[in-house]
Amino acid sequence: GQNIDQPTEMTATEGAIVQINCTYQTSGFNGLFWYQQHAGEAPTFLSYNVLDGLEEKGRFSSFLSRSKGYSYLLLKELQMKDSASYLCAVHDSNYQLIWGAGTKLIIKP
Amino acid sequence: TAGITQAPTSQILAAGRSMTLRCTQDMRHNAMYWYRQDLGLGLRLIHYSNTAGTTGKGEVPDGYSVSRANTDDFPLTLASAVPSQTSVYFCASSDAGGGSTDTQYFGPGTRLTVL
Repeated sequence: GQNIDQPTEMTATEGAIVQINCTYQTSGFNGLFWYQQHAGEAPTFLSYNVLDGLEEKGRFSSFLSRSKGYSYLLLKELQMKDSASYLCAVHDSNYQLIWGAGTKLIIKP
Repeated sequence: TAGITQAPTSQILAAGRSMTLRCTQDMRHNAMYWYRQDLGLGLRLIHYSNTAGTTGKGEVPDGYSVSRANTDDFPLTLASAVPSQTSVYFCASSDAGGGSTDTQYFGPGTRLTVL
């Protein structure tokens, strides 16, 4: 079967750095997405990786290793507004999007 | 730009009743999707449409039907609601051109409670 694993919950301190990991086992791979979802709101797109390596966007970076079936989202200089769930999703060989259950990130002052 | 709109925002529905959740996008995206999101389970695909006039079944299609008469609208119908259909429903759309253009953009969601 197809599976995406993420930690259920993480806690970090304002101003610090946090890394949210995602491992996947899918039938084929055509790209990996990270979304942010604040409580009670819709998911919003953060980043996309299809080649190995690091993609940086301001305070957020996303890394991909296709050989290891592994990605992480790195959040720097954490702010209280970063408290949200972070969803990892993978396009399989049929371009079907497989979603992880999400990681709830709690930021403490 | 409105993006994707959904209606209603929330609804309480008696079991056995029917209901249609509405979804409209103004981005001229080819593909549209309906998901349900339940605590601890993540997003699960109910139905999708790659282009106007076509639809397909997702992971959890039972009890739901969709239609795609035009590019902009993708309504989801529950013919006879059951309590297990209590969930938050999200509509999404994408260009479906492959690669990063397959980024899905989500509507604000409909919170449905079936009693």
